[in-house]
Amino acid sequence: DIVMTQTPSSQAVSAGEKVTMSCKSSQSLLYSENKKNYLAWYQQKPGQSPKLLISWASTRESGVPDRFIGSGSGTDFTLTISSVQAEDLAVYYCEQYYDTPLTFGSGTKLEIK
Amino acid sequence: EVQLVESGGGLVQPGRSLKLSCAASGFTFSNYYMAWVRQAPKKGLEWVATISTSGSRTYYPDSVKGRFTISRDNAKSSLYLQMNSLKSEDTATYYCARLAYYFDYWGQGVMVTVSS
Repeated sequence: DIVMTQTPSSQAVSAGEKVTMSCKSSQSLLYSENKKNYLAWYQQKPGQSPKLLISWASTRESGVPDRFIGSGSGTDFTLTISSVQAEDLAVYYCEQYYDTPLTFGSGTKLEIK
Repeated sequence: EVQLVESGGGLVQPGRSLKLSCAASGFTFSNYYMAWVRQAPKKGLEWVATISTSGSRTYYPDSVKGRFTISRDNAKSSLYLQMNSLKSEDTATYYCARLAYYFDYWGQGVMVTVSS
């Protein structure tokens, strides 16, 4: 199974600050034939179901603010929020869809100071 | 607008069975793989099952293989999860999700509590 490791488990930032969170996979998620990374990021706000933010490691979904930026390749990935807003309070999960079983990281909880 | 609405959750004793349903609307259901994902209280996300467009192929993690069965009725735009031999560790919110490689739409979830 591919193990997804997210760090930090939680972080607190002030509104307007930049935040980065890491996701590392135990094996490469880069498929050589199409040069795509099979990695997604989800946002789960308190009391809500998860919402897809980014697919293919860096493709922002329609309607997702451009302050959310996905980057990385292979085994190391990053989600950056360029200027955190109060409504970004949530847990952020990465997920690999390179192989079954589909696996998620344990999440990074973002708190707003 | 894509909508996924789960139902069928509740309190069930260990060893018993329960069947979840998910009603889909706003897209051509038969064109998409579908899945179930669960989340234990205060825990992270765990993939539970995937089914192909026709229903001919199904996939499970080892944690539920042999106990859970995913199925679909394309005529009714509905997805199901039959859960047998339930254990306390199956206690979770169960989400129905549409698959486009990744989970692009999620339902609101339904709670399943396994307890005597």
